[in-house]
Amino acid sequence: QKEVEQDPGPLSVPEGAIVSLNCTYSNSAFQYFMWYRQYSRKGPELLMYTYSSGNKEDGRFTAQVDKSSKYISLFIRDSQPSDSATYLCAMSGRGAGSYQLTFGKGTKLSVIP
Amino acid sequence: EAGVTQFPSHSVIEKGQTVTLRCDPISGHDNLYWYRRVMGKEIKFLLHFVKESKQDESGMPNNRFLAERTGGTYSTLKVQPAELEDSGVYFCASSQDYGTSQFFGPGTRLTVL
Repeated sequence: QKEVEQDPGPLSVPEGAIVSLNCTYSNSAFQYFMWYRQYSRKGPELLMYTYSSGNKEDGRFTAQVDKSSKYISLFIRDSQPSDSATYLCAMSGRGAGSYQLTFGKGTKLSVIP
Repeated sequence: EAGVTQFPSHSVIEKGQTVTLRCDPISGHDNLYWYRRVMGKEIKFLLHFVKESKQDESGMPNNRFLAERTGGTYSTLKVQPAELEDSGVYFCASSQDYGTSQFFGPGTRLTVL
């Protein structure tokens, strides 16, 4: 079983739709949870950073962490064509080995105008 | 503020040759990380520097890989001799403190023929 599972998609939605992306994980030592956005041939760009359980909102983006279920989500409201990218979940924790990030494989999102 | 920079952006070498990748972290970031993504797989951790010291090198695949960070500023990752399976995208990231956000560079795409 992989430490982090993420549906690779691809996911295609119309402009303006609400997008839901998620990851599950198996290592209960993870405490820090991140979402990165990666455009083609670019490096991952940090979108959201959450410590432990709860919700965090930033503009059109909302990150949720449910540690009891080992499940994290990213919601994108009013999706735009510029949101078309690969979204990577990542997590880390002291017990999981320093602060190295463990990534999911990424979900490729296309927002159609 | 300048982001993480990496050089070269792309390198094509033959099996058995040596390649050196360079990473310049964000100014003032003591923590520097190397990651790698091989075709079809998730991004994987290689190692973590705190200033000039190797904090965690548990992800280094074998002794053909040598990372250095002299003076605690930029870092190099040398692959010698390169093998076909070393092909992939090598990312560098930096963070200010433990457990804080890691910011990624654009990556170096390495192709070993």
